[in-house]
Amino acid sequence: EQQVQQSPASLVLQEAENAELQCSFSIFTNQVQWFYQRPGGRLVSLLYNPSGTKQSGRLTSTTVIKERRSSLHISSSQITDSGTYLCAMEPNTNKVVFGTGTRLQVLP
Amino acid sequence: NAGVIQTPRHKVTGKGQEATLWCEPISGHSAVFWYRQTIVQGLEFLTYFRNQAPIDDSGMPKERFSAQMPNQSHSTLKIQSTQPQDSAVYLCASSPPSQNTLYFGAGTRLSVL
Repeated sequence: EQQVQQSPASLVLQEAENAELQCSFSIFTNQVQWFYQRPGGRLVSLLYNPSGTKQSGRLTSTTVIKERRSSLHISSSQITDSGTYLCAMEPNTNKVVFGTGTRLQVLP
Repeated sequence: NAGVIQTPRHKVTGKGQEATLWCEPISGHSAVFWYRQTIVQGLEFLTYFRNQAPIDDSGMPKERFSAQMPNQSHSTLKIQSTQPQDSAVYLCASSPPSQNTLYFGAGTRLSVL
């Protein structure tokens, strides 16, 4: 079964600290996306990162295909960054498979 | 651009009743996906269409769930004889041609009493 593992399951930070979220895959994939969901809110795509390093504002994603992993770095966290971050992969079947997410809480 | 539109936002049914959920993808998008989200299972893939054709329904419980996409502007997910374990948020997403980014709707929260 194609699986996506995320760690940590939850993370609490003080505002302005950095966060490092990890994602690992059961198969090789070059289709990796990171999503964000506020409690009760819509899933929003943050970054599509098939390989290497991609940056968008305070977010930096690094995907290493041969190691079947991806990471999301959030710099200078803000209270409004609180929510759940989900990693997803797209195997050859084009069926996007999601991890269980990392719940981030940023405190003032 | 209103994004992916899902209706209703909330639906309450009694056990054994039928529920139909609607999704309007973003205009011009060629793929439509259905997912189910629960606290315990997370996001589970149900089915997806590309250019209105069903491509993969491997996540659908076969006996009671069915999905259709009669035209490019909407898709439906029908659950017959709903059971309490069907209670979840059902999410629809669409994706443009030749791109891999998914755009999600706000979801339909189904509660089966």
